[in-house]
Amino acid sequence: EAQVTQNPRYLITVTGKKLTVTCSQNMNHEYMSWYRQDPGLGLRQIYYSMNVEVTDKGDVPEGYKVSRKEKRNFPLILESPSPNQTSLYFCASSPRKTSEQYFGPGTRLTVT
Amino acid sequence: AQSVSQHNHHVILSEAASLELGCNYSYGGTVNLFWYVQYPGQHLQLLLKYFSGDPLVKGIKGFEAEFIKSKFSFNLRKPSVQWSDTAEYFCAVNAHEEYGNKLVFGAGTILRVKS
Repeated sequence: EAQVTQNPRYLITVTGKKLTVTCSQNMNHEYMSWYRQDPGLGLRQIYYSMNVEVTDKGDVPEGYKVSRKEKRNFPLILESPSPNQTSLYFCASSPRKTSEQYFGPGTRLTVT
Repeated sequence: AQSVSQHNHHVILSEAASLELGCNYSYGGTVNLFWYVQYPGQHLQLLLKYFSGDPLVKGIKGFEAEFIKSKFSFNLRKPSVQWSDTAEYFCAVNAHEEYGNKLVFGAGTILRVKS
């Protein structure tokens, strides 16, 4: 089944404790992206990747890092999480940068 | 900067009522337009998309949207809503090249359909 998977689905952590949210797609898509969803703000893009080893900042990249060492994986790294990063995070992939995106199930992160 | 505006944050309708959700964007160049739906507790799913051609686009579950270039709008419509349409709806715009290949989302409209 074609899909985007994320892990973990739920995470509660404390300020400053490094964490990684994994994202994997099995559709051989070149384009992958991370979003955060906050009430009243919709989805805002954090980072995106056009292909392996090619990443760029979205609208809200501060406090986040990404890497794209393999085509299928696009992990999101929070080196020192803070409470304002409490949010719902979605990974997405698409075959091309301008085509529809396929979303993962989301990761709900709480930073205390 | 490119922006996407959705006019209503909350909409409440009775079953069988007609639906129209507004979406306007600020970019004047060539765009790809999308409507996504997020059912409670689920991830975003594509309802419909417009790339080119006929400006009236039909999607899944009886939804349609009309691209009006002169008004920079891409409104979503459904003639008769059902209780199962209760969800949050997001308009999204992708501008070609100049805006860094970003997909920009509106703030979302929460639709509640009363049975």
